[in-house]
Order: sequence, then structure tokens, then C-alpha cells
Amino acid sequence: DQQVKQNSPSLSVQEGRISILNCDYTNSMFDYFLWYKKYPAEGPTFLISISSIKDKNEDGRFTVFLNKSAKHLSLHIVPSQPGDSAVYFCAAPPQGGSEKLVFGKGTKLTVNP
Amino acid sequence: NAGVMQNPRHLVRRRGQEARLRCSPMKGHSHVYWYRQLPEEGLKFMVYLQKENIIDESGMPKERFSAEFPKEGPSILRIQQVVRGDSAAYFCASSRGPNEKLFFGSGTQLSVL
Repeated sequence: DQQVKQNSPSLSVQEGRISILNCDYTNSMFDYFLWYKKYPAEGPTFLISISSIKDKNEDGRFTVFLNKSAKHLSLHIVPSQPGDSAVYFCAAPPQGGSEKLVFGKGTKLTVNP
Repeated sequence: NAGVMQNPRHLVRRRGQEARLRCSPMKGHSHVYWYRQLPEEGLKFMVYLQKENIIDESGMPKERFSAEFPKEGPSILRIQQVVRGDSAAYFCASSRGPNEKLFFGSGTQLSVL
């Protein structure tokens, strides 16, 4: 049973436009969410997080939105840059700690110049 | 300021052989985590260790897999009698403590022939 779902395997956008990556979850006990970015042949790197007490968290060009009633979160990248091309994973810790993160399958973002 | 170091980067084994994957955490980090990423899947938690202790191994297959983090030296993930289904990318992460941000290594790509 997949508790964190990223239903779009890939997304392609033009440089300068907005990228929106989506993530759904099924476990209502999740109270913290993270986005990781992964380049080929590298490990995932932490990008941004959000606690369930918030519905939005912003860090520069990256904003994560959380809709608890819909069990849905999204990552917005504005403006998108070619260097943002990577695989983006949504993740959540099932027991409130960060040790046992549950990852989605990832969305491969391609930003075209 | 080295990050999490994993070696080897690539490991090829024949069915029935043993695979040993090594992970040196970031300086100052005493908590180590192993994750596995099968093709077209997200990362899946395997095991969480502190120095000389296994804290949580709920994600480890019951047979053939073992992990250790000795007082001195790197953490080792050991897979005995490898099978083709073990082919995957194995990522190690470390943190300063529980509920702290995870930093991932670049992974070991295990290929079983």
C-alpha cells in the first residue's frame, strides 16, 4: 500500500515558467512533509519541508502548499531554471520522526531552455 | 567538509555471492540509515543504526540482509547469497541525532548478474 503517491512520473516546462509537482498521501497521521531533489548518480538532497500546522511554506523560488482535507501537497518552483531539472521526491515520516521516511516514486522534472 | 561517503559506487556480483556496502557518515553524525531504491520506485527505509546499536530494522528483509555500525569504522550493509532481485541503488544517510535532517550519500548501485 503506497502511503505517499506521486502520480506524474515526469513533467516538462519551459525556463521561466512555473513548475508544479504534486503529491498525495493516504495516512492521516502524517504531520510533516519533505521534498527532496535528486540529480542522476547523486543522493537525494533536502529541498523544503512543511508541518501540518501550516498550509504554506516558502523558500526563495520554492513554495510548498499543503491541503490537509484533500491529503494533498504541491511544490511550486517559480521561475523554473534548467538547473532545476532533476527527480523530485515527496516524503513523510510516519511516526513523526525523520528516521523512517516514506518516499513517493518521484517526478522527473525537465526544464527546457 | 566531506558529506556522507559511500563505497563502492558500483558493485557487480554474481548470484550467490556476497555484497558489502560501506557508509561513512558526515563528521559529527552518529545516526546512520540505509534505504533501497528499486528501479522505477521511491526510496524504501531498511534500517536505522547508532554506534554499535540497531535501533530499527523493520525495513530489512528477514533473510540474507544484515547491517552494522561498529564503534570504529564505517557502517556496513551486508547481503549474503545475492539474487537478481537485490539489484538496486542502496543509499545511506546520516544525521546528528533523531528527528534531525538526513543527509544522503551518492549511493551504491548493486548489479547482480
